[in-house]
Amino acid sequence: GENVEQHPSTLSVQEGDSAVIKCTYSDSASNYFPWYKQELGKGPQLIIDIRSNVGEKKDQRIAVTLNKTAKHFSLHITETQPEDSAVYFCAASNHDYKLSFGAGTTVTVRA
Amino acid sequence: ETGVTQTPRHLVMGMTNKKSLKCEQHLGHNAMYWYKQSAKKPLELMFVYNFKEQTENNSVPSRFSPECPNSSHLFLHLHTLQPEDSALYLCASSPRTDTRSPLHFGNGTRLTVT
Repeated sequence: GENVEQHPSTLSVQEGDSAVIKCTYSDSASNYFPWYKQELGKGPQLIIDIRSNVGEKKDQRIAVTLNKTAKHFSLHITETQPEDSAVYFCAASNHDYKLSFGAGTTVTVRA
Repeated sequence: ETGVTQTPRHLVMGMTNKKSLKCEQHLGHNAMYWYKQSAKKPLELMFVYNFKEQTENNSVPSRFSPECPNSSHLFLHLHTLQPEDSALYLCASSPRTDTRSPLHFGNGTRLTVT
């Protein structure tokens, strides 16, 4: 099955700086890569996703890049704000319905 | 605001108790899921229902018993649990079981087994 590794497990950044989270996957057939944000006391919420036919996708301050050859994808958050503090999960799936998740990255934005 | 509602938010139960977790989605989706979330571990898929039919049981012990009476409601019946079953249990829904459909999660039930 698919194995997704996520790094780092914790990340502390100064407000206004950028944050980068990296994930690798094992199954070359994986073709869908969503990112979820989980705030304290809440369930994960989809913040951005990318499909294997696209190398980069942006949505305001967040962007995701995908390198299919190297089998890794990354989440970039620019101009971080306190409300960006949360746990972020990457995931990957192929043609079936199973999403394989990374173990999560706890992001803390320091004021 | 989430369209997936889970109750209760917190549950403490002894190993001999029987309890149920409830999930309701108001999004008109056809697929519903149970996930287990333990600290510092990836989300673990437990069960999948598509149009009320169970399509996935991810080697979950029989002390967890799911029920899906219709596409809007999902239950997880618990009995004779173990302390290692303590975790956050998340319900999710999606328009269909094709993973290109984003998952919509509830806020979870925090379960503590004593």
